Parts: sequence; C-alpha cells; structure tokens
Amino acid sequence: GAGVSQSPRYKVAKRGQDVALRCDPISGHVSLFWYQQALGQGPEFLTYFQNEAQLDKSGLPSDRFFAERPEGSVSTLKIQRTQQEDSAVYLCASSLARRSGNTIYFGEGSWLTVV
Amino acid sequence: EDKVVQSPLSLVVHEGDTVTLNCSYEVTNFRSLLWYKQEKKAPTFLFMLTSSGIEKKSGRLSSILDKKELFSILNITATQTGDSAIYLCAVGASGGSYIPTFGRGTSLIVHP
Repeated sequence: GAGVSQSPRYKVAKRGQDVALRCDPISGHVSLFWYQQALGQGPEFLTYFQNEAQLDKSGLPSDRFFAERPEGSVSTLKIQRTQQEDSAVYLCASSLARRSGNTIYFGEGSWLTVV
Repeated sequence: EDKVVQSPLSLVVHEGDTVTLNCSYEVTNFRSLLWYKQEKKAPTFLFMLTSSGIEKKSGRLSSILDKKELFSILNITATQTGDSAIYLCAVGASGGSYIPTFGRGTSLIVHP
C-alpha cells in the first residue's frame, strides 16, 4: 500500500478485555516496529520484526503483550487482560532496510483507551 | 542505555518568529539522527542526519548535527500556524538491529 495502515484507529476496551491491533506495513518493507506512546511522551519501543522473525521484544512491558508477523507482512499486537496503564497510542512503523539506518515510516496509530 | 533528551519540552511563539529546537543524545555506536513532525496523526519524517556539520534544508526548516558535542538542532524560520505540532527526535545505532530511540518531543504552538 501507499503507507503504513493501522486498525482499529480507536479502541475503547473494558479493563480485563483482550485487544488486537493490526498493522499493514508498506509493501516490501522488511523491518517492522511497534512503539507505545503515552500522552505527553515520545514513542517507546516495544518490539521489532525483520520479515517474520521477531528479533527484539525487549520493550514489551509485560507478558500480557504479544506480537506476531507470521508471513512477514501484516503484524498484530495483542494485549491480554488490558489494564488502565495500557491506555496509549500504539504506533506501527516500517522500514525498507534490514540493518542500515533507513527512514522508518509510521502509521497513524491505534488509540487505545482502557476504562 | 541509549538516551535522547529534547528541549524545550514546549514552546509558544507568534507567526513569523524563528524557533530552535534542541536534541541531545547518548548512544553507543551512533548511526543516524532522525527528526519527525507529529500532528494528530502519524509522525511524518523530516530529516535524517548522519554527518556532522552538514546542514539539511527543506523550505523553512533546517537541521544540523554535531557528533562531537552529541546534539542536533532543528530550526524553523518565519513560523506559521501550520507548524504547530510535536517535533520528535530519534537516534539509531549501528551494529545489530537498527531501532530508533525517541525523545519526549517538543510541543510547538504558533499563534496567529
């Protein structure tokens, strides 16, 4: 596609509910990133994929967070048993390159509110 | 741990003013520094800087990197209300996966 596409754009979840956030990266982009951005903060790294391989998940805040990219394109970030502190914008980004410092392109984010 | 500090955190100016946004960093094996503009949607790419002292320019925006002093500045001249946004700075390291670390951003408000 033309850009990184994320869905849903907005999600309100009741505390304890599971949510799934989808990211469709730019076609052909090898690298895919998930970031979490709380209000008034910069994006915080969650996890990184190179094709289908999850090479770094050091930023996932707890074992309630799980991400996958089974065919090396679309990725899903799942949050189980949501809690209020999970309320944030979840940004997905993709990049053409594997290791070099190419530009990463962001989607518009999935705004999650846990009530 | 990689660290990116932006200042000021917020700035309010009037149209026509010139602003300078700062980004300092600590990173092992620096590879590049990125500037993004974030309105109420996706952060949009502005500049990537890899070499010291070479200014990058796009219209009224310009940026420069100082790898010795470990900082970058983003200048916006003749500001317009459309420049109101959060400006994010990120740095990426070489070796292994390239995963940019972001600062908190500078919130810029331009009043007419």
